[in-house]
Amino acid sequence: DAKTTQPNSMESNEEEPVHLPCNHSTISGTDYIHWYRQLPSQGPEYVIHGLTSNVNNRMASLAIAEDRKSSTLILHRATLRDAAVYYCILRDSQAGTALIFGKGTTLSVSS
Amino acid sequence: AAGVIQSPRHLIKEKRETATLKCYPIPRHDTVYWYQQGPGQDPQFLISFYEKMQSDKGSIPDRFSAQQFSDYHSELNMSSLELGDSALYFCASSSDRGHEQYFGPGTRLTVT
Repeated sequence: DAKTTQPNSMESNEEEPVHLPCNHSTISGTDYIHWYRQLPSQGPEYVIHGLTSNVNNRMASLAIAEDRKSSTLILHRATLRDAAVYYCILRDSQAGTALIFGKGTTLSVSS
Repeated sequence: AAGVIQSPRHLIKEKRETATLKCYPIPRHDTVYWYQQGPGQDPQFLISFYEKMQSDKGSIPDRFSAQQFSDYHSELNMSSLELGDSALYFCASSSDRGHEQYFGPGTRLTVT
């Protein structure tokens, strides 16, 4: 699986937008970009995924660079409940289904 | 909405004992995944099943085995437990190996 690089930590204030970056310069054409998050003492939670086009859902938006070598998870208005570890994961649609977690970004949200 | 159910939620075992963890996927989900998360670590994929057949295999020790039953629930069997097996074990399920995996609350295994 191709590797991703994320900042170790980020801070945000409540009700402000948050942009979480992810670099994946060795991404292949069949790799989907997935984002999961893990709140303290809970199992990981699916956030969003995409292949080439930007994606929106009720939780977040995913902006994918034109060359697909980087992406950004956007939380439009951070809440205290969004404090979690955010994982950017590449998943080859042809090779299997497992999620290979790397080092994610720990997001802190202040009121 | 129904979620993934894992049992037991907590388990304490001694070294060299065996343990069985159970996972009940979301109804109509046919794919089950097992992950292990050690203290302060990120989740690591162990093994997955699709339609009762092993689908993917990750860093699962030979001492561990798993299977998926006809009702799609899955069990992770762990033998000759070691102190290093102390971890949170998460089960996740998805529909037809889909993109969205739904995780259970985990089983916290402590080996003493």
